[in-house]
Amino acid sequence: DTGVSQDPRHKITKRGQNVTFRCDPISEHNRLYWYRQTLGQGPEFLTYFQNEAQLEKSRLLSDRFSAERPKGSFSTLEIQRTEQGDSAMYLCASSLVPASGTLSTDTQYFGPGTRLTVL
Amino acid sequence: ELKVEQNPLFLSMQEGKNYTIYCNYSTTSDRLYWYRQDPGKSLESLFVLLSNGAVKQEGRLMASLDTKARLSTLHITAAVHDLSATYFCAVVLGQGAQKLVFGQGTRLTINP
Repeated sequence: DTGVSQDPRHKITKRGQNVTFRCDPISEHNRLYWYRQTLGQGPEFLTYFQNEAQLEKSRLLSDRFSAERPKGSFSTLEIQRTEQGDSAMYLCASSLVPASGTLSTDTQYFGPGTRLTVL
Repeated sequence: ELKVEQNPLFLSMQEGKNYTIYCNYSTTSDRLYWYRQDPGKSLESLFVLLSNGAVKQEGRLMASLDTKARLSTLHITAAVHDLSATYFCAVVLGQGAQKLVFGQGTRLTINP
């Protein structure tokens, strides 16, 4: 049973460039989440998907950010025109929410993260 | 807006001692999670607490939840060096909601 994987693990880019990150969730998980974590802080929610539908976006997710999960499996997070303030660890998590009426802890399992540095 | 506060934020203790990390949250929630994060690594799920009075234990760690007080505790018994890490509590916003709101984290250092 493989866990959540993310690619790349590290990305250094220059201000103004576009970057794209990929997340592969645990295979049977139907929910996928993106969070951002800056140094010394807890993760902050960005967005989440149930299957291929994007159900919630944080106000932290400006117009320069877009996320997709086209076939309900892997997801991508793109940042356009990067700014130095975008430097952070971008974490992906997945969870399994079973059919209604079934108890679930809905525990989110996190990937290793992509560390973005914008110069 | 849901706020989650942990204290202390930094904790340095000696092996063999006991200590407690506190997590307060500001609005009703039906689930609370504890995660561990080692430096440069991702988050590892430790506990999920679903109801008032819930208590979970794993090794030297025990977590409890008081939903009326909106308080969770993570108790460390007879600490060992391997428990050095940052511990986060996280609360689900509202009933049936999905996003986690994290506390600031407690950086725990256990000295031999």
